[in-house]
Amino acid sequence: NAGVTQTPKFRVLKTGQSMTLLCAQDMNHEYMYWYRQDPGMGLRLIHYSVGEGTTAKGEVPDGYNVSRLKKQNFLLGLESAAPSQTSVYFCASSGTGARGYTFGSGTRLTVV
Amino acid sequence: GENVEQHPSTLSVQEGDSAVIKCTYSDSASNYFPWYKQELGKRPQLIIDIRSNVGEKKDQRIAVTLNKTAKHFSLHITETQPEDSAVYFCAAGYNNDMRFGAGTRLTVKP
Repeated sequence: NAGVTQTPKFRVLKTGQSMTLLCAQDMNHEYMYWYRQDPGMGLRLIHYSVGEGTTAKGEVPDGYNVSRLKKQNFLLGLESAAPSQTSVYFCASSGTGARGYTFGSGTRLTVV
Repeated sequence: GENVEQHPSTLSVQEGDSAVIKCTYSDSASNYFPWYKQELGKRPQLIIDIRSNVGEKKDQRIAVTLNKTAKHFSLHITETQPEDSAVYFCAAGYNNDMRFGAGTRLTVKP
């Protein structure tokens, strides 16, 4: 039981490049989330999904897109990377109802 | 939407002392209040949570209290140990729509 797995763990992009971050969970959770973590700003929600085939915007969605084609996977895409997107990205999942999240180990992204 | 404020941003205590971290929230519809611990370079991990129909919950050395009228909740850690050193995040929300506080960096000095 791996929990929540994120790939890659580290990535350096040049401004304007695109990339996709993959999140996979094996807990049969309905809900999945993408957060970014910046110093002094806590965790900010980018996009989330309440089930297969659904996505919704969070607090800071601009510049990102997501897809949830399979229940166990949640993809985060950066269409044209900008230095302001340098951050640590965490994926999380949870079951239905109000309950705690299980986080992935994070992806450290640097945009130069 | 929900807005969560967390204080203090840094906290330093001596080993064995107690530590208290406080959070306020804005949306009276919020009904779930988890706390996460994040060690350096690691993922956040759930350490305790409380729901709106409960005023206090304890788990060994940690406890959380909730005051729904005042819209604030607190994390209490007693008999602190060096391994308690980490960043702690509170969160508030409902129906899995959670907002996080900015975090408190707790340092426990041996």
